[in-house]
Amino acid sequence: DSGVTQTPKHLITATGQRVTLRCSPRSGDLSVYWYQQSLDQGLQFLIQYYNGEERAKGNILERFSAQQFPDLHSELNLSSLELGDSALYFCASSVGSQGLFFGPGTRLTVL
Amino acid sequence: AQTVTQSQPEMSVQEAETVTLSCTYDTSESDYYLFWYKQPPSRQMILVIRQEAYKQQNATENRFSVNFQKAAKSFSLKISDSQLGDAAMYFCAYKIDGNKLVFGAGTILRVKS
Repeated sequence: DSGVTQTPKHLITATGQRVTLRCSPRSGDLSVYWYQQSLDQGLQFLIQYYNGEERAKGNILERFSAQQFPDLHSELNLSSLELGDSALYFCASSVGSQGLFFGPGTRLTVL
Repeated sequence: AQTVTQSQPEMSVQEAETVTLSCTYDTSESDYYLFWYKQPPSRQMILVIRQEAYKQQNATENRFSVNFQKAAKSFSLKISDSQLGDAAMYFCAYKIDGNKLVFGAGTILRVKS
């Protein structure tokens, strides 16, 4: 158990809909990272938050947004969903240069 | 841009044997970190081992060790005494800009009993 929690574990929704994925980092970690893992793209960095502030952006679509709250949990919002958004979405947290500790992921299926 | 290449899409090893997974990377940095992650069928991403580039000594964690060749930009993972539970996808990763990681495409490891 990495100490990073993500909810829900599974999401099934329809094209055009909007969903919210939630993540709580390990106790004491200020940074949260979101990654997308799809079959054809591998693991792609989406966005990073540090203590409530956006720190870095990767290959995140404009239809996607995220935020980190004062209690350090983070939410990833995906809107106008398309079939190609079906993927495993990971949240990770870190401190120092120990590497990233990943949550169990949320599997999103868009029908 | 930093890239990470895993040239072996799939590898097989007999239980109790040793297997080596390859990884090469491209960077112009002199100080950096490299990681191996394991993703079993549960899809959980598990940190296996990390290597700091300025340390010449290869990292080891129990049955897992790395062969870090900085000049060659090579970072291979050796698994000794392979166990059925080692069967997984293994990802090599390079740390950039803070703690963002760039991942290779992964190597599927199959363990035969």
